[in-house]
Amino acid sequence: NAGVTQTPKFQVLKTGQSMTLQCAQDMNHNSMYWYRQDPGMGLRLIYYSASEGTTDKGEVPNGYNVSRLNKREFSLRLESAAPSQTSVYFCASSELTGGPAYEQYFGPGTRLTVT
Amino acid sequence: ILNVEQSPQSLHVQEGDSTNFTCSFPSSNFYALHWYRWETAKSPEALFVMTLNGDEKKKGRISATLNTKEGYSYLYIKGSQPEDSATYLCAPWADKAAGNKLTFGGGTRVLVKP
Repeated sequence: NAGVTQTPKFQVLKTGQSMTLQCAQDMNHNSMYWYRQDPGMGLRLIYYSASEGTTDKGEVPNGYNVSRLNKREFSLRLESAAPSQTSVYFCASSELTGGPAYEQYFGPGTRLTVT
Repeated sequence: ILNVEQSPQSLHVQEGDSTNFTCSFPSSNFYALHWYRWETAKSPEALFVMTLNGDEKKKGRISATLNTKEGYSYLYIKGSQPEDSATYLCAPWADKAAGNKLTFGGGTRVLVKP
């Protein structure tokens, strides 16, 4: 049982390049989330998917798109990377419809640098 | 966007001492409060999920209390050990009108000195 996995672990992009961050979970969770972590700012929600087939914006969605490919996989795409998107990105998942009493399980993170 | 404040931002604790810190959040539209422990170079891991006013949760030497009426939660570490060094994040869950999701505070960074 791998839990939540993310690829890649590290990535360096040039301004304007695009890339997709991959996330998968094997816990049969309905809800999945993408966060970014910046120094002194904790975790900020980018997008989330309460269930397969649905996605919603979080606190900082600008410059990102997401795809809930199936129940296991939730990808985050940067269409035209900017230096402000340099961050550590975490994917997370939670049970059922992601209600308030269900803890979130986090992946290992992707460290992205945009030059 | 919810205003979630954690204080202090960081603290140094001598091994064996006990400590506590605070998470403040809006008391209206409260559903649940999550606490996560985040060690350096690792992923956040859930400590507690608290839903009821007056809730007290305990895991080993770490415990938490919740006051939903005044909008705060305390996390306590009894007899701190070096392995307790981590950032502790709190995250309230608001209702759908405010965004049906967790909003994380900035965290309290705890360093336990041997």
